[in-house]
Amino acid sequence: ETGVTQSPTHLIKTRGQQVTLRCSSQSGHNTVSWYQQALGQGPQFIFQYYREEENGRGNFPPRFSGLQFPNYSSELNVNALELDDSALYLCASSTQRYNTEAFFGQGTRLTVV
Amino acid sequence: AQSVSQHNHHVILSEAASLELGCNYSYGGTVNLFWYVQYPGQHLQLLLKYFSGDPLVKGIKGFEAEFIKSKFSFNLRKPSVQWSDTAEYFCAVNAPEAYGQNFVFGPGTRLSVLP
Repeated sequence: ETGVTQSPTHLIKTRGQQVTLRCSSQSGHNTVSWYQQALGQGPQFIFQYYREEENGRGNFPPRFSGLQFPNYSSELNVNALELDDSALYLCASSTQRYNTEAFFGQGTRLTVV
Repeated sequence: AQSVSQHNHHVILSEAASLELGCNYSYGGTVNLFWYVQYPGQHLQLLLKYFSGDPLVKGIKGFEAEFIKSKFSFNLRKPSVQWSDTAEYFCAVNAPEAYGQNFVFGPGTRLSVLP
């Protein structure tokens, strides 16, 4: 196990709704990143948070937003859901050390109907 | 921007066959390189990583990878695969100096090992 937990594991939402996904980082890790993995593709970087501030963002629209809390847990919020948002959402925790690896949670499978 | 390509979408092998999965990346600066494996229904697991030093890296479960800087490649190898190696394999790159700590993943290679 990686020590990174995500909830919920599965979720079904209707187009136009809003969703919040949650991630609990590995102990001692102050950086959390979110990735979207569409079916049959590799994970795509959404954004990263370091010490409660956004610290990098991929090519995703503003309706994808996030939060990181003082205990380094994190949320991913997606507004105005679209069918193409259906994917596995992965959370990864790490540190800001130069040579570092990321530890991934099992993901939340989001289906938008 | 960085990009990562993986040579094969789906590889089918018999048990005991040798494996080589190709990975190429586009960034010309200093990079860290990784191979992750995703077993069905499970989280991404790190197989091996390269930060610096010996370009031949050994990982878990008998996997190894070779970093060839001149070819921008980081190919994954295993001399003899087992049925339990059936999974999706992802090559990933990060370039902390240029792009921070985010990872760029390849599209993945699905490995099916026949018993």
